[in-house]
Amino acid sequence: DSGVTQTPKHLITATGQRVTLRCSPRSGDLSVYWYQQSLDQGLQFLIQYYNGEERAKGNILERFSAQQFPDLHSELNLSSLELGDSALYFCASGPLEFLNEQYFGPGTRLTVT
Amino acid sequence: GIQVEQSPPDLILQEGANSTLRCNFSDSVNNLQWFHQNPWGQLINLFYIPSGTKQNGRLSATTVATERYSLLYISSSQTTDSGVYFCAADILTGGGNKLTFGTGTQLKVEL
Repeated sequence: DSGVTQTPKHLITATGQRVTLRCSPRSGDLSVYWYQQSLDQGLQFLIQYYNGEERAKGNILERFSAQQFPDLHSELNLSSLELGDSALYFCASGPLEFLNEQYFGPGTRLTVT
Repeated sequence: GIQVEQSPPDLILQEGANSTLRCNFSDSVNNLQWFHQNPWGQLINLFYIPSGTKQNGRLSATTVATERYSLLYISSSQTTDSGVYFCAADILTGGGNKLTFGTGTQLKVEL
């Protein structure tokens, strides 16, 4: 167990809908990272937050947004969902602002129908 | 952006065998990492290794930054080593946190 929790484990929704994925980092970790893993795109870095502030941005669509709250948990919001958004979404946390170690949650599997 | 290529794409080993996985990257990097995704989907960070050599038990990794490649060595493989191995890198001017992943090496270790 990495100490990183993600909810929900599975999510099935329809095109055009909006969903929120939640991540609780390991105790003491200030950085949260979001990744998407799909058959088409492979593993992709989406975004990093460090102590409540956006720190790095990757291939995150404009329809997606994230935030990190004062208690350090993070939420990834996906809107106007398309079939191609179906994927496994991982959250990871790490102790530092610079990424030299990270611990992954079990992922949320999103299916858009 | 940076290109990260891994080889071989697939590998089947007998338990106890050794193997070498390779990762080539197209630019100078300030971050290079190896990950293992087990057959149940769990991702584990194996090494942070932008240069040099590190060892952790039966696993070791070497990155030759000047020649833009990294190697992951698995010795005395076990069935629990099965899964997909990814390397990921960020370019020297990228801040270090925007990892680009390779497509992975799918490893199966058989009895």
